[in-house]
Amino acid sequence: AQSVTQLGSHVSVSEGALVLLRCNYSSSVPPYLFWYVQYPNQGLQLLLKYTTGATLVKGINGFEAEFKKSETSFHLTKPSAHMSDAAEYFCAVGRNNAGNMLTFGGGTRLMVKP
Amino acid sequence: GAGVSQSPRYKVAKRGQDVALRCDPISGHVSLFWYQQALGQGPEFLTYFQNEAQLDKSGLPSDRFFAERPEGSVSTLKIQRTQQEDSAVYLCASSPGQSYNEQFFGPGTRLTVL
Repeated sequence: AQSVTQLGSHVSVSEGALVLLRCNYSSSVPPYLFWYVQYPNQGLQLLLKYTTGATLVKGINGFEAEFKKSETSFHLTKPSAHMSDAAEYFCAVGRNNAGNMLTFGGGTRLMVKP
Repeated sequence: GAGVSQSPRYKVAKRGQDVALRCDPISGHVSLFWYQQALGQGPEFLTYFQNEAQLDKSGLPSDRFFAERPEGSVSTLKIQRTQQEDSAVYLCASSPGQSYNEQFFGPGTRLTVL
């Protein structure tokens, strides 16, 4: 079984400040990990993913995440927040077999203050 | 190229009515997924198709939910005798193949059951 926990349903940062969104997962097999962003009334857009290889993953819009197996974490960061980053962010874990369904966390709403 | 499209975008149903939600995946994508996203929560897996075969329907909440993809492209999620707890956004996603690939999400159908 797989599960994802996102600590903090709401995170507020000032424009230009560091963004840190936390994600911890549980998986019985080596995980595939994803971060998606959801803007109002839109579908989910992939920010970045970890499958194998380098544990520091760079994504779109300046976001990156680091897979830490010992901590079962995949936290999302961005050095400097922009107003346009305000959205809902979802961490997800998948499995590498037929079906590769995703298990999502509850989401973190990022608010960016001017 | 066109992304995943879903129709209708919004659906209001009276309790007890049947509804049908349509998903048009990206052309050529083998895998298709349905997720249910309740208000303020992350998406939850409902069912998965590989071409026309429904390989996993473990997430369907009851036998009132039925999904099909008869020709391996367009998919329909049908909910019979809708209940208030069915109110949610229903997301469709498609993916190029069996092996681990990004899932591309549609904008969703927001279902409100009165």
